[in-house]
Amino acid sequence: DGGITQSPKYLFRKEGQNVTLSCEQNLNHDAMYWYRQDPGQGLRLIYYSQIVNDFQKGDIAEGYSVSREKKESFPLTVTSAQKNPTAFYLCASSTGLVISGDTQYFGPGTRLTVL
Amino acid sequence: QQPVQSPQAVILREGEDAVINCSSSKALYSVHWYRQKHGEAPVFLMILLKGGEQKGHDKISASFNEKKQQSSLYLTASQLSYSGTYFCGTESRPNFGNEKLTFGTGTRLTIIP
Repeated sequence: DGGITQSPKYLFRKEGQNVTLSCEQNLNHDAMYWYRQDPGQGLRLIYYSQIVNDFQKGDIAEGYSVSREKKESFPLTVTSAQKNPTAFYLCASSTGLVISGDTQYFGPGTRLTVL
Repeated sequence: QQPVQSPQAVILREGEDAVINCSSSKALYSVHWYRQKHGEAPVFLMILLKGGEQKGHDKISASFNEKKQQSSLYLTASQLSYSGTYFCGTESRPNFGNEKLTFGTGTRLTIIP
């Protein structure tokens, strides 16, 4: 089955530690995205990537880093510089062509809690 | 700038109709509607493109008013399964290979029996 997987589903981290969230897709999509969602809030874009080895900052990139070494993988690292990392993190992918009428498809999310 | 959704929350009885609005301060090229259940990923409902037709399936439909820079989602004869938070995602220009959506803050819909 084609889809987007994120792991782990729940993640606990001690303050001051870096942590990496996994996102894999087998939809052959070129574009991938990371969003952050806080309780009762909408989705805010952290980073996105249109092609391998290239990515752009979104609206709230500070304290986060990404890599795109493979088309199917787009891991997100939450660094110790992120002041308030506790949130629900969603990964998405798309063909990257709005003109085609395509949209973004989301993974199941990772809930990160900083202790 | 983030699109504004209204209302922020609404409670309906099963069988009633609902309208959710999404307004942008920028000219819109496309509007994407999603529904999210608590703790789950957003699920795509439909996309409306500039110059395109009103979309719909089953009892959920949407319109796109390019002049007013807004879209509306219509849910008729609501079912319990319609409960969740609805988000609109907007794109302001058709950048080839640069589909970047800006999401609204959401509308929480609760359907009661």
